[in-house]
Amino acid sequence: GQNIDQPTEMTATEGAIVQINCTYQTSGFNGLFWYQQHAGEAPTFLSYNVLDGLEEKGRFSSFLSRSKGYSYLLLKELQMKDSASYLCAVRDSNDYKLSFGAGTTVTVRA
Amino acid sequence: GAGVSQSPSNKVTEKGKDVELRCDPISGHTALYWYRQSLGQGLEFLIYFQGNSAPDKSGLPSDRFSAERTGGSVSTLTIQRTQQEDSAVYLCASSKQGSGGNEQFFGPGTRLTVL
Repeated sequence: GQNIDQPTEMTATEGAIVQINCTYQTSGFNGLFWYQQHAGEAPTFLSYNVLDGLEEKGRFSSFLSRSKGYSYLLLKELQMKDSASYLCAVRDSNDYKLSFGAGTTVTVRA
Repeated sequence: GAGVSQSPSNKVTEKGKDVELRCDPISGHTALYWYRQSLGQGLEFLIYFQGNSAPDKSGLPSDRFSAERTGGSVSTLTIQRTQQEDSAVYLCASSKQGSGGNEQFFGPGTRLTVL
C-alpha cells in the first residue's frame, strides 16, 4: 500500500519562498511527481523526480531523497497566481499507477 | 482537441440511477487513467488502460463501477445504482505511455452529485 503525507495548508507572502514537504511510505517506488491544481481546475504537471537530488525549473524546484522517503517542492518569488493546491504523487513499482497525497493548499497574501 | 476533454462537466443524479462519464484523451496517448477526487481527499486511482492490454481495475471501489475504452481512444466510466458516497469529481488523465517520467495530462473533470 501507499501512505503519502503532506501538510494541509500553508500561507506565505507575495515574493517570499515556501517549501512544501511530502513524506511517503510505499510498497514500491518508481518516481515522484508534483502537480498544481487551482480551485475547480484539473491538476497540471510541475515536476518529476526519480533519482535523489534537486530538480530546478524556473521558480519551482523539487527535491527527492529516496532513502528518507522524502520530497519537497520549493516555490520562490511567490506570486498571487501561485495560490493553489499542490499534490505530491508517487508512482509505484508497477510503473504506471500514481498514488496521491491529499494536497497542500497554499495561499499567497499581498 | 489539444487537451483531455470530459463530459459532462457537472452531473446531478438521484440515488439509484446509473450515470455515464466520458473521457476523450489526447490524440496518440496510449495510456488512460480514471481517478476520483472527494472533498479534502487526494486523488484516488480507479482504473488504467494501456493500449490493447487488459485494464488494471484494481482501484474500482465496487462492482457498480465499470469502464471501457473503445478503439484505444474514448473511455466511458459507468456507475450503476449510484449512492450518495459516489459524489465526487471524476478526473480522467492520459499519457504517451504508462511508464517512466511521462506526465499525465488531466481533463477538467466531471463533478458528480448524487442526491
